Amino acid sequence: AQTVTQSQPEMSVQEAETVTLSCTYDTSESDYYLFWYKQPPSRQMILVIRQEAYKQQNATENRFSVNFQKAAKSFSLKISDSQLGDAAMYFCAYRSAGYGGSQGNLIFGKGTKLSVKP
Amino acid sequence: GAVVSQHPSWVICKSGTSVKIECRSLDFQATTMFWYRQFPKQSLMLMATSNEGSKATYEQGVEKDKFLINHASLTLSTLTVTSAHPEDSSFYICSATPGGANSPLHFGNGTRLTVT
Repeated sequence: AQTVTQSQPEMSVQEAETVTLSCTYDTSESDYYLFWYKQPPSRQMILVIRQEAYKQQNATENRFSVNFQKAAKSFSLKISDSQLGDAAMYFCAYRSAGYGGSQGNLIFGKGTKLSVKP
Repeated sequence: GAVVSQHPSWVICKSGTSVKIECRSLDFQATTMFWYRQFPKQSLMLMATSNEGSKATYEQGVEKDKFLINHASLTLSTLTVTSAHPEDSSFYICSATPGGANSPLHFGNGTRLTVT
């Protein structure tokens, strides 16, 4: 079974600074997707960024980028120029590329609570 | 973008009663919907997977007779918490996908259930 581990329960960053959130995962599959979701106090799940395992190039979305190390099974999220609105819970998630039943499901890490200091 | 509507957003019920939560895909046909449960300060845990027109697949440890899931149409799945107890109080979130390995998952806004 696949597992996702986020080893940082809480992180803090100064506004305008850069912060990196860690995520490691375990799988025997070769093809899969990795995601970072943001959950603000409203508890709405917001997709931040997505990475296909077959792509070597790291995904970027504006101030958000990932460092995807497939061999090391590592998928960290870097937030540049942090803003107050970035404060939230961040969940790393894994999804199998094979589809059928719960294989389409997301497997979440335990989350990292990010605080942004003004 | 794709929208998933979840209703109600919050509900308070008395112990022993049943509560139904609806998850609707508003602008796409959802062949598969997932139901998650999230305890305070914890992650999302998959409860069950529902495919339109067939029985839901429950995760280990989830009581299928307590958490009834129906996915009768391509745009609607319902989760009914039967004979609710205070320990069922939680945040329930659904997500939906049109299907296929590369199809994105779209989340509802969640339902906060409080059982008194």
